[in-house]
Amino acid sequence: DSGVTQTPKHLITATGQRVTLRCSPRSGDLSVYWYQQSLDQGLQFLIQYYNGEERAKGNILERFSAQQFPDLHSELNLSSLELGDSALYFCASSVASSGRAGDTQYFGPGTRLTVL
Amino acid sequence: AQTVTQSQPEMSVQEAETVTLSCTYDTSESDYYLFWYKQPPSRQMILVIRQEAYKQQNATENRFSVNFQKAAKSFSLKISDSQLGDAAMYFCAYRRLNTDKLIFGTGTRLQVFP
Repeated sequence: DSGVTQTPKHLITATGQRVTLRCSPRSGDLSVYWYQQSLDQGLQFLIQYYNGEERAKGNILERFSAQQFPDLHSELNLSSLELGDSALYFCASSVASSGRAGDTQYFGPGTRLTVL
Repeated sequence: AQTVTQSQPEMSVQEAETVTLSCTYDTSESDYYLFWYKQPPSRQMILVIRQEAYKQQNATENRFSVNFQKAAKSFSLKISDSQLGDAAMYFCAYRRLNTDKLIFGTGTRLQVFP
């Protein structure tokens, strides 16, 4: 158990819908990351928040947005869902945001999103 | 842009034997970090080992060790005394200095036979 929690574990929805994925980082971690794992795109970095502020952006679609709240939990919002958005969405957390090797990213168990 | 390549989609090994998983990467940076993550059937991503590019000594964690060849941009993972629990997808990942974004390879599925 990494200490990172994600809810829900599974989510099944229809095209055009909107969903929210939730992540609670490990106690003491200030950085939260979102990654998408799909069959055709592999594991891709989406976005990073550090202590409530957006720190880095990756291949995140405009239909997707995220935020980190004062209690440091984070939510990833996916809207106007398409079949291709079906994937495993991981949240990871680390202590800080400095790129130091010591800041290991601990991954949560993921949320499996299926868009029908 | 940095890329990470894992040319072996699947590998297999007999229990107690040794197996090496390959990873190459492309970067123009001189300082960076490299990682191997394990993803068992539970889908959890677990850090196996990490290497700082400025360190010449290869990292070792129990039965896991790496062969880091900076000039060749190669970062292979050696698993000694393979165990059934080592069966998983293994991902090689790269991270630039002073950034946190991990760039992953496509993964190698390792099967361990008794």
